[in-house]
Amino acid sequence: GENVEQHPSTLSVQEGDSAVIKCTYSDSASNYFPWYKQELGKRPQLIIDIRSNVGEKKDQRIAVTLNKTAKHFSLHITETQPEDSAVYFCAASREDSSYKLIFGSGTRLLVRP
Amino acid sequence: KAGVTQTPRYLIKTRGQQVTLSCSPISGHRSVSWYQQTPGQGLQFLFEYFSETQRNKGNFPGRFSGRQFSNSRSEMNVSTLELGDSALYLCASSILAGFTGELFFGEGSRLTVL
Repeated sequence: GENVEQHPSTLSVQEGDSAVIKCTYSDSASNYFPWYKQELGKRPQLIIDIRSNVGEKKDQRIAVTLNKTAKHFSLHITETQPEDSAVYFCAASREDSSYKLIFGSGTRLLVRP
Repeated sequence: KAGVTQTPRYLIKTRGQQVTLSCSPISGHRSVSWYQQTPGQGLQFLFEYFSETQRNKGNFPGRFSGRQFSNSRSEMNVSTLELGDSALYLCASSILAGFTGELFFGEGSRLTVL
């Protein structure tokens, strides 16, 4: 069945360093890949997404890369700040009638001041 | 513009009971989906509704059911509760008919089964 694997489960970095979170999906028909950030006790919120017709997308300090051949995509956060500390979830879905988003198990990022 | 509203926010039930959770989507959003969040499991898809029709269902037992009303508000029901049903249940709405747009999540309903 459809599955999204996410690594690492926890990540601790020094403020100012970069953080990379990787995801692998199983459904080759997936073509939409969003990333959600969930701060402690709060709701998940979309931070960036990418569609399969592009290989990379940037938004200020965050970027996402997609390798459709290998079926994996990654989130890159540069110049990390303490407020980046949160749980990050990757997800994958198809742009057809499946109407569901398959999430990874999450990465807890801790940015040490 | 009001966000996604879920009620109740917290509830405690005992095994064997049933529970109904409610979700009011953002005004104008017709797609409502439900997710179960547990530590280490991430967010697992329960079901999605659009215009009162369930378009897809996740891999959960039949004890989990839902519905959507004509005003797009949605409810989910869990019958014969088990300890393992303890989780945060998140509702999300989307303005798009397909699943390639932003999901707006509610704050969730935290269910504890004793």
